[in-house]
Amino acid sequence: SQKIEQNSEALNIQEGKTATLTCNYTNYSPAYLQWYRQDPGRGPVFLLLIRENEKEKRKERLKVTFDTTLKQSLFHITASQPADSATYLCALDTRGAGSYQLTFGKGTKLSVIP
Amino acid sequence: DADVTQTPRNRITKTGKRIMLECSQTKGHDRMYWYRQDPGLGLRLIYYSFDVKDINKGEISDGYSVSRQAQAKFSLSLESAIPNQTALYFCATSDRGQGIRNEQFFGPGTRLTVL
Repeated sequence: SQKIEQNSEALNIQEGKTATLTCNYTNYSPAYLQWYRQDPGRGPVFLLLIRENEKEKRKERLKVTFDTTLKQSLFHITASQPADSATYLCALDTRGAGSYQLTFGKGTKLSVIP
Repeated sequence: DADVTQTPRNRITKTGKRIMLECSQTKGHDRMYWYRQDPGLGLRLIYYSFDVKDINKGEISDGYSVSRQAQAKFSLSLESAIPNQTALYFCATSDRGQGIRNEQFFGPGTRLTVL
C-alpha cells in the first residue's frame, strides 16, 4: 500500500538551532512534493514545492531536499524562532495515478523553545 | 476579505441530522477539494471537483455527498450525520493554470461535532 510517514509526531528545538523534519514515502513516484504549515485551528498554508528532478529548494530560512532514491524529503528551518512553532505537513502529488490529488502526511508538530 | 471562506465555522448537531457545509472562493480557481482532519489521522480527501461538471470521490467519500453549484461554490453534505463524522473539515482550491504545481489554498475550516 502507499504510505507517507512523517517520522516525528512532535519535535522540540531550542531557539536559534536548525530544525529538521523528515517525510518518507513508499510505493509512490511523485512528480513533486509540497510542504505546508498549519497553525492550531487554521487551514494549512503552502510553503514550498520541490520537483522530482530538483535536489534542493530554498526560501529565506527554509530549505527542502528531495531524494527520490531514498524516497525521502527533509525540511529544514535554520535559525529557528518561537514563531516557527506549528505543525508541518508534507504532501505528495499522486498525479502518476492519473489525478491531481495531494496525499498528506500526518504532520510533525514543531515547538521552538525560547 | 478571505479568498476561501467556509460556513459555518462551528456546528454541533445530532445523530441522524442532515448537515451541509459550504465553501466559497474568490480566487477564480477551477479545482476545489473537501478534506477532513482528525487527530492522529491527518488530512484525508473526501471529494474533489476539477470543474462544475467534474466531481470525483476521494479516499473517504462514504457517508458524504457534494454539489458544485458554480465555479466558486462547493458544498459538502452529510446525509445522516453520525458521531464518527465529528472532525475538522477543510475546503481547498487550486488553479489548473499552475500545471503540475497544484498549490492548494485552504479555508479556515469548519469544526463539526455530531452528538
